[in-house]
Amino acid sequence: QVQLQESGPGLVKPSETLSLTCTVSGGSISSNFWSWIRQPPGKGLEWIGYIYYSGSTNYNPSLKSRVTISVDTSKNQFSLKLRYVTAADTAVYYCARFYNWNDGMDSWGQGILVTVSS
Amino acid sequence: QPVLTQSSSASASLGSSVKLTCTLSSGHSSYIIAWHQQQPGKAPRYLMKLESSGRYNKGSGVPDRFSGSSSGADRYLTISNLQSEDEADYYCETWDSNTRVFGGGTKLTVL
Repeated sequence: QVQLQESGPGLVKPSETLSLTCTVSGGSISSNFWSWIRQPPGKGLEWIGYIYYSGSTNYNPSLKSRVTISVDTSKNQFSLKLRYVTAADTAVYYCARFYNWNDGMDSWGQGILVTVSS
Repeated sequence: QPVLTQSSSASASLGSSVKLTCTLSSGHSSYIIAWHQQQPGKAPRYLMKLESSGRYNKGSGVPDRFSGSSSGADRYLTISNLQSEDEADYYCETWDSNTRVFGGGTKLTVL
């Protein structure tokens, strides 16, 4: 059973870059699709983007200009960078896996709260 | 891209059954969806993949009380013999070739 764990700073200043890493254990990152999702306090889930292990990516059009997702197969990790953050980017950030493009996200990390504040 | 619509809330009594609905936008009625459960303060948990035919495949460890069905653009999640731990938010998810979408979620209260 694959497990995912998010890590990174819990506080980011406005206009700076939010950087998170998801470490995959119990399986290889060199297969499947790997995604980032966020959830503002008290609100629903918002898909941010995903990466295939080969490096190809797709992003939510509403965030595309500020987001980069990358993968490091040697470390079994993938990462999220969100630039020029504002208070509206305050959320719990989750990483997740889906087995192939026609599947739902079947494994989720526990989530990490990132607050944007000066 | 597809849009998913869910009622914001639902309630049912302990031991009864409840049927939650996720509706696909026009032109997307053939799409596959996934259901996820999010208990208070926890990460989402994958429940099942549900096809337009009504065929569904549940995730590992999901109780038999959870089942899925479909009718047209509607995708249903039925929970039988409701337990207190079923009180949670339920989200549907769908996708196309380069996008993933979540419904707004339904908050289920077990009375």
